[in-house]
Amino acid sequence: AQSVTQPDIHITVSEGASLELRCNYSYGATPYLFWYVQSPGQGLQLLLKYFSGDTLVQGIKGFEAEFKRSQSSFNLRKPSVHWSDAAEYFCAVGRSYNTDKLIFGTGTRLQVFP
Amino acid sequence: EAGVAQSPRYKIIEKRQSVAFWCNPISGHATLYWYQQILGQGPKLLIQFQNNGVVDDSQLPKDRFSAERLKGVDSTLKIQPAKLEDSAVYLCASSSPAGPLWYEQYFGPGTRLTVT
Repeated sequence: AQSVTQPDIHITVSEGASLELRCNYSYGATPYLFWYVQSPGQGLQLLLKYFSGDTLVQGIKGFEAEFKRSQSSFNLRKPSVHWSDAAEYFCAVGRSYNTDKLIFGTGTRLQVFP
Repeated sequence: EAGVAQSPRYKIIEKRQSVAFWCNPISGHATLYWYQQILGQGPKLLIQFQNNGVVDDSQLPKDRFSAERLKGVDSTLKIQPAKLEDSAVYLCASSSPAGPLWYEQYFGPGTRLTVT
């Protein structure tokens, strides 16, 4: 069965520091992978996705993620964090033949200190 | 374009009472989803509609939860009777499977339900 693991429940960084949020997935075939962000009181917003091709994908708000098949990982990165990036981040996996069935991880809460 | 609308934003009820949530998806989006997000967990799909037909309700607790999407637009999710473990945020999302952004689900702000 598909599953997504986000090992870090809570991460704190200083503004301007680099960020990496971890995501590991379990799926037998090539997955469709997503990162969503949820700001307080708001719905989830898609940051970026990976379907195939180049394993380094760019998203909105300066985020990028790298798909590593050998490690079953899809980690989210940002070179310099802004205070407005404080939010909860969710990794999700969809099946390649039916991508709208998303399985979400438990999320990582990002706190940014000035 | 207007986003996904949900109401109410907050609801507090006692156990064994009933409650209903409403969702208005983005105009033209054929697919509508209801998710349950319990504190500390990721969203879990409860039910998915394609137009006014149910595509997947395998994780909907049908003894107490029901949902409908009349005319393929708005949708209502009902819980009757509510249990303490139903306390969660209920998220509605929509997507347009025929469009260029077929993979993207657009989420509403959610309804936070507290069952006491």
